[in-house]
Amino acid sequence: DADVTQTPRNRITKTGKRIMLECSQTKGHDRMYWYRQDPGLGLRLIYYSFDVKDINKGEISDGYSVSRQAQAKFSLSLESAIPNQTALYFCATSKGGQALYGYTFGSGTRLTVV
Amino acid sequence: QQQVKQSPQSLIVQKGGISIINCAYENTAFDYFPWYQQFPGKGPALLIAIRPDVSEKKEGRFTISFNKSAKQFSLHIMDSQPGDSATYFCAAKTGNQFYFGTGTSLTVIP
Repeated sequence: DADVTQTPRNRITKTGKRIMLECSQTKGHDRMYWYRQDPGLGLRLIYYSFDVKDINKGEISDGYSVSRQAQAKFSLSLESAIPNQTALYFCATSKGGQALYGYTFGSGTRLTVV
Repeated sequence: QQQVKQSPQSLIVQKGGISIINCAYENTAFDYFPWYQQFPGKGPALLIAIRPDVSEKKEGRFTISFNKSAKQFSLHIMDSQPGDSATYFCAAKTGNQFYFGTGTSLTVIP
């Protein structure tokens, strides 16, 4: 099983719909992140959480919200999806104090908003 | 504003050749510079990383060259192989945050 699991892998949704992307991890890491990947723009941070009670906005948080349900679970919600939120979304984890080990990324969720 | 500028956007190299990807930054607070490798359908995976007090780090065929005064660092892939075909991201860390480059799509032709 993957260390960081994202569901769904692919999703097509309509403009205005609410959608949730889920992430769970078995790494035992305390820190979790949501990134968005767009061609030519690389990876941009949406939200991050250093523990269950800690939620922080990243550089592109508008239009998104998150929930850290448990240390191992971190979900991303689009309250009212719009076409420019079509992108590849990645969840990542890391262990506090061990930044030199980098992130562990999930395999991504490809979201299309029509 | 892109904190880490990466070039080229795409790169085609013959098998056995050297692949070179460059990154530049301005923020002197960055204290750790990793490179990630991403295959299609997968998330990025840490490939190699360097601290700014070191000018070069080598792991197998992969080498990071770091020029602190120029605020530049690069990834060199020696003896490039078709299996190296992937997207490569540079990144830089300050505090608890990583900033990623825009990615380079590498294709190694047999």
